[in-house]
Amino acid sequence: QVQLQESGPGLVKPSQTLSLTCTVSGGSISSGTYYWSWIRQPAGKGLEWIGRIFISGSTDYNPSLKSRVTISVDTSKNQFSLKLSSVTAADTALYYCARETAGYSSGWYDWGQGTLVTVSS
Amino acid sequence: DIQMTQSPSSLSASVGDRVSITCRASQSISTYLNWYQQKPGKAPNLLIYAASSLQSGVPSRFSGSGSGTDFTLTISSLQPEDFATYYCQQSYSSPFTFGPGTKVDIK
Repeated sequence: QVQLQESGPGLVKPSQTLSLTCTVSGGSISSGTYYWSWIRQPAGKGLEWIGRIFISGSTDYNPSLKSRVTISVDTSKNQFSLKLSSVTAADTALYYCARETAGYSSGWYDWGQGTLVTVSS
Repeated sequence: DIQMTQSPSSLSASVGDRVSITCRASQSISTYLNWYQQKPGKAPNLLIYAASSLQSGVPSRFSGSGSGTDFTLTISSLQPEDFATYYCQQSYSSPFTFGPGTKVDIK
């Protein structure tokens, strides 16, 4: 049973860079054909897909955030990471990492529990 | 971007009721449509993928139908644990987008 766990600072100052890591346990991030995604949800609001990475390193980002987002993978640590630069209060949200199978509409069937990031001075 | 809409935005129902939630895409997405249930303070839980396939471990009272632009999630007999918010999500093209959600609460 694969489990995902987000980690990172809960408070980030405006204009700084938000950095989060998703640690995958119970399976290798390198095995299989999966996309590893970041999704966020402001309090009381809906879900927004941020972007994803394939194990090859290829990435796909939401154009609304593309200029500020970088997703990377570290297979040695079985982790993938999110960096979001120049944050503002609008980036305050619960951030989730999630897994889907590549090649068909599998949906995101494995999720982390989420980590709350607040942007405030 | 493909825009997703849901109706109703909220509904009140009783245990045992049959409940249907509609999702519409701004363009055809074939059957690249997934449904999630989210309870307060929890991550979304995948119910239905590819429009009508039941995710492993999800009770059979949940079902999905539709193709193209119009989709439906049906709960055949609402149970106490089903009171939650439901989201549809298109996986047809990036950026992958969600509907605004439908909150199902107790009548």
